Amino acid sequence: GAVVSQHPSRVICKSGTSVKIECRSLDFQATTMFWYRQFPKKSLMLMATSNEGSKATYEQGVEKDKFLINHASLTLSTLTVTSAHPEDSSFYICSARAGRSSYEQYFGPGTRLTVT
Amino acid sequence: GQNIDQPTEMTATEGAIVQINCTYQTSGFNGLFWYQQHAGEAPTFLSYNVLDGLEEKGRFSSFLSRSKGYSYLLLKELQMKDSASYLCAVSSNTGGFKTIFGAGTRLFVKA
Repeated sequence: GAVVSQHPSRVICKSGTSVKIECRSLDFQATTMFWYRQFPKKSLMLMATSNEGSKATYEQGVEKDKFLINHASLTLSTLTVTSAHPEDSSFYICSARAGRSSYEQYFGPGTRLTVT
Repeated sequence: GQNIDQPTEMTATEGAIVQINCTYQTSGFNGLFWYQQHAGEAPTFLSYNVLDGLEEKGRFSSFLSRSKGYSYLLLKELQMKDSASYLCAVSSNTGGFKTIFGAGTRLFVKA
């Protein structure tokens, strides 16, 4: 099956710093990538949808200036958490879809962010 | 808006059959997914239903009724490794294609 990677898998940063998380589709071109965050024992919350070459569409309540998303190529999307605070600590997961006619989303392994 | 409901927790015995229900409300319905997620890991795809009826794949089956906004995931011959969260997710093409997840059902399989 299709493979999606995320880097880093774990990151610890100090409050006030910024952290970039990369999401790559390794063996297919992803026209659409999704970013989710998940709190312990909770389900995935969709943060934003990003289409290659265009601005990301953010879900209601998600600050686009705080969570910067860039989908510069068909195989790479990045999420930057700016001026991170302890409440931003979470499990961030990306997923990718090959095309609008493709229904399946392939998930990355997730990134555990801890802000101290 | 969208709304997805599924039970919070279920417990079943090894070797038994368990059915996890999911009800949903959405506009622009474009399919329903079931995912399995073990603690600390990303979800893995189990099934996709876009038409009414039952889809069978090994020990796992998924059913959809679009008119009732209802789906279930059936797990047969339960194994201890099936202990995980099972996420019901609905794809919608309203306002762009996206998939919204339910809160998940934590399944505990006991010996």
